[in-house]
Amino acid sequence: GQNIDQPTEMTATEGAIVQINCTYQTSGFNGLFWYQQHAGEAPTFLSYNVLDGLEEKGRFSSFLSRSKGYSYLLLKELQMKDSASYLCAVVDSNYQLIWGAGTKLIIKP
Amino acid sequence: SQTIHQWPATLVQPVGSPLSLECTVEGTSNPNLYWYRQAAGRGLQLLFYSVGIGQISSEVPQNLSASRPQDRQFILSSKKLLLSDSGFYLCAWSPTGAGDVREQYFGPGTRLTVT
Repeated sequence: GQNIDQPTEMTATEGAIVQINCTYQTSGFNGLFWYQQHAGEAPTFLSYNVLDGLEEKGRFSSFLSRSKGYSYLLLKELQMKDSASYLCAVVDSNYQLIWGAGTKLIIKP
Repeated sequence: SQTIHQWPATLVQPVGSPLSLECTVEGTSNPNLYWYRQAAGRGLQLLFYSVGIGQISSEVPQNLSASRPQDRQFILSSKKLLLSDSGFYLCAWSPTGAGDVREQYFGPGTRLTVT
């Protein structure tokens, strides 16, 4: 079967750094997406990784290790508006997106 | 630029009633289209996807159906709603291209409550 694991909830402090992990076991791999979803809203695209390594985009970075079936999303200089759920999604061998359940990130002042 | 519309934004329907949710995309041609459902506090469940007019793939057997009568229109329907159909319904599109990876862009969603 196909499986994507993320922590259910994380808490961090405003101004700090947080790392949200995602591990996956899928039939094939054609890339990994991270999306942000604020409560009651639609997900919005954050990043896409298909090769190993770190992709940096402003305060957000995403890392991928295909051999380990592992990715993380790194958020720096946390702001209150970063309180949201973060969804990891893997593209399988059929080019379909397999979604994780998401990690709810709570930012405290 | 491309935009995606969904309506209605919220809907309260009694058990056994029919359902029709509509999604339209502007600013692109021949998009891949998707219907997802998200239960409270859960991840996204893919219900249907379409790579072209009249081409619908179903991921989960249930009392829902989908249709794509026009290139940029995607409709989710049910003849008789169940309580378990409650959830947040999201339509999404991605640029066309079998075997080509593209991010998906989501509409604002419809919050359906079946009572």
